[in-house]
Amino acid sequence: AQSVTQLGSHVSVSEGALVLLRCNYSSSVPPYLFWYVQYPNQGLQLLLKYTSAATLVKGINGFEAEFKKSETSFHLTKPSAHMSDAAEYFCAVSDPGNQFYFGTGTSLTVIP
Amino acid sequence: KAGVTQTPRYLIKTRGQQVTLSCSPISGHRSVSWYQQTPGQGLQFLFEYFSETQRNKGNFPGRFSGRQFSNSRSEMNVSTLELGDSALYLCASNGRGANTGELFFGEGSRLTVL
Repeated sequence: AQSVTQLGSHVSVSEGALVLLRCNYSSSVPPYLFWYVQYPNQGLQLLLKYTSAATLVKGINGFEAEFKKSETSFHLTKPSAHMSDAAEYFCAVSDPGNQFYFGTGTSLTVIP
Repeated sequence: KAGVTQTPRYLIKTRGQQVTLSCSPISGHRSVSWYQQTPGQGLQFLFEYFSETQRNKGNFPGRFSGRQFSNSRSEMNVSTLELGDSALYLCASNGRGANTGELFFGEGSRLTVL
């Protein structure tokens, strides 16, 4: 089975500062990787996905993530945090059998 | 295009009761997955249905069951509720052809067990 590790269950950044949310995966085959965002009392919304095309993936709301095979990482970044970015972020990987594996999530707080 | 619809959004039950949650996937999607979300545990995979057949199953007791109908709508049932079953239950549909499809989530059904 595959696994996803998100380092840091809580991350705080100042408004306008860089956002960096870390995700590492274990996979013996080329994975499909995803970042989702969850706002309070809502379901998960796709931010971006990596599907073996470009290693730098751009998503919605100014987020992007870089796939690094050598490091088995898929970290999420945003150059300048906005108050509206405060939410829970989940990294996920899917296998060829359509089984999805989620990290435990990172709660992002943006300080004004 | 309508999204994934889950009903009810909120419900309160007492221990020992049973509950049924419903999920209508995005039109044309044949795969429906269910997840349990609790603070500190993240998303725990319950099961996935594809064309009315359970294709994958997570590590949950037999009290948790599900089914899928011919129109791809899905229900999950939890019998003999326990306090620990209090959670947000999320349904997701997937319309993948090749294995690049993402999950589309509903807003969830928040279950409180008293």
